[in-house]
Amino acid sequence: EAQVTQNPRYLITVTGKKLTVTCSQNMNHEYMSWYRQDPGLGLRQIYYSMNVEVTDKGDVPEGYKVSRKEKRNFPLILESPSPNQTSLYFCASSLSGTHGETQYFGPGTRLLVL
Amino acid sequence: GQQVMQIPQYQHVQEGEDFTTYCNSSTTLSNIQWYKQRPGGHPVFLIQLVKSGEVKKQKRLTFQFGEAKKNSSLHITATQTTDVGTYFCLGNAGGTSYGKLTFGQGTILTVHP
Repeated sequence: EAQVTQNPRYLITVTGKKLTVTCSQNMNHEYMSWYRQDPGLGLRQIYYSMNVEVTDKGDVPEGYKVSRKEKRNFPLILESPSPNQTSLYFCASSLSGTHGETQYFGPGTRLLVL
Repeated sequence: GQQVMQIPQYQHVQEGEDFTTYCNSSTTLSNIQWYKQRPGGHPVFLIQLVKSGEVKKQKRLTFQFGEAKKNSSLHITATQTTDVGTYFCLGNAGGTSYGKLTFGQGTILTVHP
């Protein structure tokens, strides 16, 4: 089944404790991205990747890191999480990053930073 | 940079009433997409509009793309409880500005039975 998976689905952590949220897709998509969803603010793009080893900032990259060492994986790294990073996070992928492609979303990761 | 404004932020309707959400872009779009997110779920693609003035229908849902390709609307006729969720638009500027994507803020629809 074609899908985007994220792990963990739920995470409670404390301020400053490094964490990684994994994202994997099995559709051989070149384009992958991360979003955070907050009430009243919709989906805001954090980082995106056009292909392996090619990443770039979205609208809200501060406090986040990403890497794209393999085509299928695009982990989101919070080196020193803070409470304002408490949010619902979605990973998404599409075929090549060309405008007009359907974005396929993962199930989401709900993060609480205490 | 490109901005996409979506209104209203919330809409509460009685089952059977109509519902409309609007997206307005600060720049001309090459196309616009609409997504639906059910409560507790993830956004799922609904449709894409490409042509100026384009109108597409999916059962009770009608999607329109403005003549100037800077605005779009999603209209639901006779809402049902299955329509609840958040509706997002995604405006694509085209040209060389691919990669970075900007969604509208979303409209949360509540349908009271």
